Amino acid sequence: AQSVTQLGSHVSVSEGALVLLRCNYSSSVPPYLFWYVQYPNQGLQLLLKYTTGATLVKGINGFEAEFKKSETSFHLTKPSAHMSDAAEYFCAVSLNAGNNRKLIWGLGTSLAVNP
Amino acid sequence: NAGVTQTPKFQVLKTGQSMTLQCAQDMNHEYMSWYRQDPGMGLRLIHYSVGAGITDQGEVPNGYNVSRSTTEDFPLRLLSAAPSQTSVYFCASSFSGTFTDTQYFGPGTRLTVL
Repeated sequence: AQSVTQLGSHVSVSEGALVLLRCNYSSSVPPYLFWYVQYPNQGLQLLLKYTTGATLVKGINGFEAEFKKSETSFHLTKPSAHMSDAAEYFCAVSLNAGNNRKLIWGLGTSLAVNP
Repeated sequence: NAGVTQTPKFQVLKTGQSMTLQCAQDMNHEYMSWYRQDPGMGLRLIHYSVGAGITDQGEVPNGYNVSRSTTEDFPLRLLSAAPSQTSVYFCASSFSGTFTDTQYFGPGTRLTVL
């Protein structure tokens, strides 16, 4: 069965520090991978996605993620955290195989940024 | 474009009451879906639609009905509300049914069932 694991339900960093949010997936077919962000009291919005091509994907607000097939990972990084990055981050995997139309979501990682 | 809109933003129901959560999008998206978000459980798919007149169940459909009479609208009906349905509900849409597409989410409806 396909699954998505986000390591760490809560991550806390200092302003200016590196942000690393981990996502691992299990899949028997090549996946499409997404990171979404949810700011407080808002809906989710796309940060970035990997479909095909370059494995290092750049997204909005200075975030990027690298698809590593050998490690089945798609970790999200940002070199320098900003207070406005405090939010919930969701990793999702899409497997477009036949009639499978489901996105498989991770449980989310809450990012706190300390001054 | 307004994107995906949801009404109401907040709702309190008593057990056994029924209600409809409204969702509309103005992006001419074929695919629409409803999720519920609960602490520690992430997002769970309730129902989805790949076009007007076509709906299907997600992973937690019990207690909910949907219909899709137009491309723009995808209401979610709670038939007889239960405390277990207390949750935040999100409507989402995308251009097509393929999941390489970006999902666009509404702002959510916070529902409490007493």
